[in-house]
Amino acid sequence: DAGVIQSPRHEVTEMGQEVTLRCKPISGHNSLFWYRQTMMRGLELLIYFNNNVPIDDSGMPEDRFSAKMPNASFSTLKIQPSEPRDSAVYFCASRRQGSGNTIYFGEGSWLTVV
Amino acid sequence: AQRVTQPEKLLSVFKGAPVELKCNYSYSGSPELFWYVQYSRQRLQLLLRHISRESIKGFTADLNKGETSFHLKKPFAQEEDSAMYYCALRGGGATNKLIFGTGTLLAVQP
Repeated sequence: DAGVIQSPRHEVTEMGQEVTLRCKPISGHNSLFWYRQTMMRGLELLIYFNNNVPIDDSGMPEDRFSAKMPNASFSTLKIQPSEPRDSAVYFCASRRQGSGNTIYFGEGSWLTVV
Repeated sequence: AQRVTQPEKLLSVFKGAPVELKCNYSYSGSPELFWYVQYSRQRLQLLLRHISRESIKGFTADLNKGETSFHLKKPFAQEEDSAMYYCALRGGGATNKLIFGTGTLLAVQP
C-alpha cells in the first residue's frame, strides 16, 4: 500500500483565495483525521471521521475551515477565504478499527498564505 | 479534558549521552499513550505505545499513573535519533481522538 496520500505537497497562495487540500486514506481504514502542525502549537487535531461521518470537529478553528469525506477513499479540507495565519503543515492520517489504535500519517501539505 | 504537555521544545545532547524526553498528561480515565517520531522531511510514524511495553530503536517509555507521565528514554543517544518527537494520548471508550503534545525537537550533536 502506498500509505496515506495527500495533495498538494506544497501550496503558496494569496490571502483571500480558497485552498483545498486532499487526502486518500489507506485502503480499508475507516477512520480519517486532519491535523495542523505549527511551531507554536505543535500538532492540533482539526476534525476526524469514522466511516465517512464527521465525529468531532471541535478543533476546526473557524467557519472558514470545512472538511468533507464523500466516500471511504477521499477527503478534503477547505479553507475559504485563506489568511496568512493559516500557514502550516496539514496532515491527514487514517486508522483501521481494531488495529491497536495505530494511526498512519500522510507526508503533509505545506501551505503558505501570503 | 484530555491534555498532553511536553515542556521542552528543544533538547540538545551529545552522542552517547542519555536522553529523556518528558511527557505529562491529563486525563481522568485510563489513557493509552504513544510516542510518535518525525524525522526530517518525513511523515510522522509511531515509535512506541505503552500497552506494548516494547523497546524500539533503544527507546523505552513507562507509563507512570501516579505522576501522570510517559517520559521517553534512551541510555545512549545516536546522531540518527535527531528528530521531532510527539507524545500522544487517546482516551478510553469509543473515542478515536488522538491528542498530541507540542513536540520536542531532539538534536544529537556529534
